[in-house]
Amino acid sequence: GAVVSQHPSRVICKSGTSVKIECRSLDFQATTMFWYRQFPKQSLMLMATSNEGSKATYEQGVEKDKFLINHASLTLSTLTVTSAHPEDSSFYICSAWTSGGPDTQYFGPGTRLTVL
Amino acid sequence: GDSVTQMEGPVTLSEEAFLTINCTYTATGYPSLFWYVQYPGEGLQLLLKATKADDKGSNKGFEATYRKETTSFHLEKGSVQVSDSAVYFCALARGSGYSTLTFGKGTMLLVSP
Repeated sequence: GAVVSQHPSRVICKSGTSVKIECRSLDFQATTMFWYRQFPKQSLMLMATSNEGSKATYEQGVEKDKFLINHASLTLSTLTVTSAHPEDSSFYICSAWTSGGPDTQYFGPGTRLTVL
Repeated sequence: GDSVTQMEGPVTLSEEAFLTINCTYTATGYPSLFWYVQYPGEGLQLLLKATKADDKGSNKGFEATYRKETTSFHLEKGSVQVSDSAVYFCALARGSGYSTLTFGKGTMLLVSP
């Protein structure tokens, strides 16, 4: 099946620094990539949808200047958490989609961000 | 808006026990319904799906039936294995293409030998 990787799997940073998370589709080209955020014991919440070469579409309540998304190629999307604060600590998950129905989103394993 | 409610875990079972994880949804129209599974350290994987009322999705011994009248999509397995230990997410999507998935909170299943 299609494989999506995320790097890093875990990151700890100091408050005020920026952190970049990569999402790669390893064996297919992804027209669209999604970024989700998951708090403990909560649902995955969609943060933004990005299409290759276009600006990302952010969900209501998600600060676009805080969470910078770049989808520079059909196999790579990055999420940069700028000036991170402890409340940004969470589990960030990406998914990639190329064609077909909503069930053809393929998910990465997630990145655990801890901001001290 | 759309929402998915699933039972809180963890659900702890002995090997070969019967499994039910409840899932109910709120959505307008006729959404497609999904169960995803997340094994430790891995991404969510589609387990099964149903796209219309009374459809039954099945995979790897797991089953779920789309019940429009009760807005439910409960996950069942007759005999669980230790390897089924994972987090299970119920989800829905409206429309086709890359329609946004709305997830439940996830239910952790722990199966002991």
